[in-house]
Amino acid sequence: AAGVIQSPRHLIKEKRETATLKCYPIPRHDTVYWYQQGPGQDPQFLISFYEKMQSDKGSIPDRFSAQQFSDYHSELNMSSLELGDSALYFCASSRPPEQETQYFGPGTRLLVL
Amino acid sequence: GENVEQHPSTLSVQEGDSAVIKCTYSDSASNYFPWYKQELGKRPQLIIDIRSNVGEKKDQRIAVTLNKTAKHFSLHITETQPEDSAVYFCAATPNSNSKLTFGKGITLSVRP
Repeated sequence: AAGVIQSPRHLIKEKRETATLKCYPIPRHDTVYWYQQGPGQDPQFLISFYEKMQSDKGSIPDRFSAQQFSDYHSELNMSSLELGDSALYFCASSRPPEQETQYFGPGTRLLVL
Repeated sequence: GENVEQHPSTLSVQEGDSAVIKCTYSDSASNYFPWYKQELGKRPQLIIDIRSNVGEKKDQRIAVTLNKTAKHFSLHITETQPEDSAVYFCAATPNSNSKLTFGKGITLSVRP
């Protein structure tokens, strides 16, 4: 079965650079969530989209923005990168209420030097 | 907002024994409680979930129980195997289209 796709899988950036992470949800899933997971930490919710509209916002820095496109894929744009932004970034998708389970993608490992 | 606490933070069991992981939540509006297993560097993978209108759910060696009054839910793994070794996260959410609030995770080690 098709899963959530994320690209790139690994990314190395310098401080103050920008990064764009992409997420392609499971086909027919209309809701996308972004989570940030630091080493040894639990996933922290950043932002979510339903039918291309932002549905909820968590602890997402103002330097980050995201959107969901007409084909339901989503992009997380990160600017003025800081060392503390180094983490695993997961995208998850679901299709509530029929399929409420959030299925996670393989993640993008971002390293900021 | 929701606060999910998970205990203990580490658990070591002998292969074949049972493991129980407990979580508590604070928001009485939460009604969906998934459990995820995460291996090092991999994605969280759903292993079982439960809704608030159900007290217990079982899937082969894995079961989850929910006590809404006490606001706690537990994961039970029977006949543990070395491949069960991983980090296990509990989570809670009030709506099926809402963010998940995770516990801090527990590292389960199954000794052969």
